[in-house]
Amino acid sequence: EAGVAQSPRYKIIEKRQSVAFWCNPISGHATLYWYQQILGQGPKLLIQFQNNGVVDDSQLPKDRFSAERLKGVDSTLKIQPAKLEDSAVYLCASSPSAGSSYNEQFFGPGTRLTVL
Amino acid sequence: DQQVKQNSPSLSVQEGRISILNCDYTNSMFDYFLWYKKYPAEGPTFLISISSIKDKNEDGRFTVFLNKSAKHLSLHIVPSQPGDSAVYFCAAKNTGNQFYFGTGTSLTVIP
Repeated sequence: EAGVAQSPRYKIIEKRQSVAFWCNPISGHATLYWYQQILGQGPKLLIQFQNNGVVDDSQLPKDRFSAERLKGVDSTLKIQPAKLEDSAVYLCASSPSAGSSYNEQFFGPGTRLTVL
Repeated sequence: DQQVKQNSPSLSVQEGRISILNCDYTNSMFDYFLWYKKYPAEGPTFLISISSIKDKNEDGRFTVFLNKSAKHLSLHIVPSQPGDSAVYFCAAKNTGNQFYFGTGTSLTVIP
């Protein structure tokens, strides 16, 4: 079974530029998560999708961050414009379905973003 | 508001000895707790979990203990091996299927 795929693996941009990250979850996984992990901290949830609908985006800075999951499969996360404090690893994770029967997420390798 | 806390940023243990990683949480509504292991330049990988209705779960060298009254869980690794050297994240899930992560503990197993 193929794992969660993310691209690019690394990205360096200047502040005020735009950037987009892509995630392809494990086939058949209904739930998709985007996390931001700043150096020295744990992953922080940005947005959670159930199929192509948003379940939770309460911690997404909506003035600059946006995410979509068209057709309920792969997803893109965009930052426009980027700030220095956006430098972090952006992790995508997926899980089979929402509900009490699942308790595990599968993570991709992450995209390391550096904003100069 | 940090709902899951790992107060030890690092831990060093001799090979063959026990590693004990600790985690505290504040929300009594969490229904599942998980431990993830992370190597550099990789995403976290699931290690072991425990339901809030249990107090112990064991899988090979890894055992997780849950003390609900103290809102505390721990991961025991026995015996520790050099390949266990990684960052370990504690995570908790609520009934809304949202996951909250601690800040991680970097474990070094010395050969």
